[in-house]
Amino acid sequence: GAVVSQHPSRVICKSGTSVKIECRSLDFQATTMFWYRQFPKQSLMLMATSNEGSKATYEQGVEKDKFLINHASLTLSTLTVTSAHPEDSSFYICSAVSTEAFFGQGTRLTVV
Amino acid sequence: LAKTTQPISMDSYEGQEVNITCSHNNIATNDYITWYQQFPSQGPRFIIQGYKTKVTNEVASLFIPADRKSSTLSLPRVSLSDTAVYYCLVGDIGGYNKLIFGAGTRLAVHP
Repeated sequence: GAVVSQHPSRVICKSGTSVKIECRSLDFQATTMFWYRQFPKQSLMLMATSNEGSKATYEQGVEKDKFLINHASLTLSTLTVTSAHPEDSSFYICSAVSTEAFFGQGTRLTVV
Repeated sequence: LAKTTQPISMDSYEGQEVNITCSHNNIATNDYITWYQQFPSQGPRFIIQGYKTKVTNEVASLFIPADRKSSTLSLPRVSLSDTAVYYCLVGDIGGYNKLIFGAGTRLAVHP
């Protein structure tokens, strides 16, 4: 099946720094990618929808200036958490869509 | 977007068949029903997808009644490794404007 690669799988950063997470569709072109955040014991919460070549659409309550999304090509979308704080610590997951949705393996972000 | 409702949790034992039902009363004509499995600290993994009647693959079956207002994921002879959270999603296969996850069903398989 189609593969979505997410990198890094785990990152620890200091408070106030920025972290970039990459999401790549390895064997298909994805015009749409989704970014999710998941806290322990909770479901995936949609943060934003990323469309190639256009600005991302953010869900209500998600700060677009804090969570910068770039979808520069049909196979790559990036999420940058800017000026990270401990409350941004979470599990971030991307999804790329072709005829169905495929998910990355997730990124565990810990802000210390 | 059709909202989905599933049981929060289920318990089973190894070797048993497990059926998880999802309600989606507002499903639209173009919507497909897709089930995902998620293990801790991993992204969701596709299990099965269907539009109507019954779909079967090597790991599960999906039963969809004629009115399509619900669906049932059937896992035959579960093992300990099937302990996970299961999500049903409803959406237009050709135009996923949003992929919204419900609470999911936490399945615990016991020895």
